[in-house]
Amino acid sequence: GAVVSQHPSRVICKSGTSVKIECRSLDFQATTMFWYRQFPKKSLMLMATSNEGSKATYEQGVEKDKFLINHASLTLSTLTVTSAHPEDSSFYICSARNEDRGYEQYFGPGTRLTVT
Amino acid sequence: GIQVEQSPPDLILQEGANSTLRCNFSDSVNNLQWFHQNPWGQLINLFYIPSGTKQNGRLSATTVATERYSLLYISSSQTTDSGVYFCAAAAYNFNKFYFGSGTKLNVKP
Repeated sequence: GAVVSQHPSRVICKSGTSVKIECRSLDFQATTMFWYRQFPKKSLMLMATSNEGSKATYEQGVEKDKFLINHASLTLSTLTVTSAHPEDSSFYICSARNEDRGYEQYFGPGTRLTVT
Repeated sequence: GIQVEQSPPDLILQEGANSTLRCNFSDSVNNLQWFHQNPWGQLINLFYIPSGTKQNGRLSATTVATERYSLLYISSSQTTDSGVYFCAAAAYNFNKFYFGSGTKLNVKP
């Protein structure tokens, strides 16, 4: 149990376009989902925390208008990178948890975004 | 926020050797997890261990919450153990999960 998927796994887009990344908890309901960003050979950096039906909480320095997060249901959260630029190229990873089951987080396989 | 430090940053082992990876954290935690990031970037959950000791095959982990550290033991290492190992922790007062900088393990045949 506790499987999290992400789609797409890899995306290339042109500068100025928007890209949507989906994160789904496949076999449990996720009361909280998290979005992380990882630069090459670096650690994961928390971008935002989202709870179903409420606005996401963004970390300091993360532009909420740039990275739109929607937690539409207990099994789906989306991250939209708006007006993407080459510096947005990165590896984006989501995680999910259900606090009724504890604080353990389960991670998706990640999405590699390349902006040309 | 909570500070999470891992050591060593890099580790090279001969196949069959044992190793200990360390994770220090700066505050009381309600969540501490160890992960192995595979070459494709997927984080594999190894242990959820805010306190105590757990074992899973050749891997085991111990968290001493009162002293704010956790250890990951790898015994009889194999080449497939290579990769980056992360620990991450969340403090009681915060809803945020902070990652250490990772230990890059290279197991040579």
